[in-house]
Amino acid sequence: ILNVEQSPQSLHVQEGDSTNFTCSFPSSNFYALHWYRWETAKSPEALFVMTLNGDEKKKGRISATLNTKEGYSYLYIKGSQPEDSATYLCAFTGNQFYFGTGTSLTVIP
Amino acid sequence: DTGVSQNPRHKITKRGQNVTFRCDPISEHNRLYWYRQTLGQGPEFLTYFQNEAQLEKSRLLSDRFSAERPKGSFSTLEIQRTEQGDSAMYLCASSFSEAAIQHFGDGTRLSIL
Repeated sequence: ILNVEQSPQSLHVQEGDSTNFTCSFPSSNFYALHWYRWETAKSPEALFVMTLNGDEKKKGRISATLNTKEGYSYLYIKGSQPEDSATYLCAFTGNQFYFGTGTSLTVIP
Repeated sequence: DTGVSQNPRHKITKRGQNVTFRCDPISEHNRLYWYRQTLGQGPEFLTYFQNEAQLEKSRLLSDRFSAERPKGSFSTLEIQRTEQGDSAMYLCASSFSEAAIQHFGDGTRLSIL
């Protein structure tokens, strides 16, 4: 079983602050890196899939970068809003599919 | 809405009973995944199918667990002789391909009495 680690485990920010989280994964046998947003009592919602080293993806105020050589991805949220409160999961695809334990974000109005 | 559908949403059963869950993926998706999620943890991979072929199984999938996708469309996950530790949310997801985003169902929550 591979280790996909996310940090921090939880984060509280004020509305309007920008924030970022880290996902670390094995740099060997890499195929793809996924980011999901998961709200309580709902199923995970896909944000990004990245496959190439140096990939950058953006969706509204949320963006992500990928470094496959060193095995990390960053997720950025610009100008956090209360509705951004959720758990953000990353997942690594090698020959299986491994999720991290997530970063729980709470945006305080 | 033609998203991923899972049934039942909740299942409560006594220890030792067999249970079966169903997942209907998005129709044009050929990949189907099963995960288990326990409180405070991210989803744990159990197994996945490419069409009707089961390509990978996690070591978490003991011999009491079996999954099928007989016609490459819907899938079933069966747990035999359930144990307390099987209590969890069982999630199904589907995708176009290995690197494509996965679309998740709402899950089946299993509670073992």
